[in-house]
Amino acid sequence: DAGVTQSPTHLIKTRGQHVTLRCSPISGHKSVSWYQQVLGQGPQFIFQYYEKEERGRGNFPDRFSARQFPNYSSELNVNALLLGDSALYLCASSFEAGGTGELFFGEGSRLTVL
Amino acid sequence: AQSVTQLGSHVSVSEGALVLLRCNYSSSVPPYLFWYVQYPNQGLQLLLKYTSAATLVKGINGFEAEFKKSETSFHLTKPSAHMSDAAEYFCAVSRSGGSYIPTFGRGTSLIVHP
Repeated sequence: DAGVTQSPTHLIKTRGQHVTLRCSPISGHKSVSWYQQVLGQGPQFIFQYYEKEERGRGNFPDRFSARQFPNYSSELNVNALLLGDSALYLCASSFEAGGTGELFFGEGSRLTVL
Repeated sequence: AQSVTQLGSHVSVSEGALVLLRCNYSSSVPPYLFWYVQYPNQGLQLLLKYTSAATLVKGINGFEAEFKKSETSFHLTKPSAHMSDAAEYFCAVSRSGGSYIPTFGRGTSLIVHP
């Protein structure tokens, strides 16, 4: 079975641009979470979606937005990119929004902002 | 709020030596606790989890961790390190305050010398 898939794997943008990152969860998983991992640090929670509704939001500015589609895939959008947005963006899926909190991660999208 | 503290950003061991990676948590309610491993340029993979059953948890690749409520700790151990264990290890806590969204520590880089 396919795991969590993310695209693109790498991308380079310039300050002020916009980026869209995509994620397909494991088949049967209904919840998708997004994390930002800056080099040398642990993943920081950005959003959680379950059944197309936002269930949680981390301490990120309004430039960050996300949505979940009927097939449970998800997009993370970041507007007006800053140099500090350079990071590995991880998508994780789970069967439900609650449960034990166990997450299944994709390999990430590495964003470089110049 | 829930939080995790990982003591030591880097741990260096010789091949065949004991591995001990430390994790202390803060939680106002009984926690769920996790250890994830991240190999270079990859996403996070679950090593093991504690969800209020047995306090000694066995995971993949010979790793285990013990939940000690009195010490608010969940340290990760492996009796004999292998070169392939070299990676970044993250401790995470969830289920605090009604939130099942995991909070991750800053990570510990395990270095294994031949």
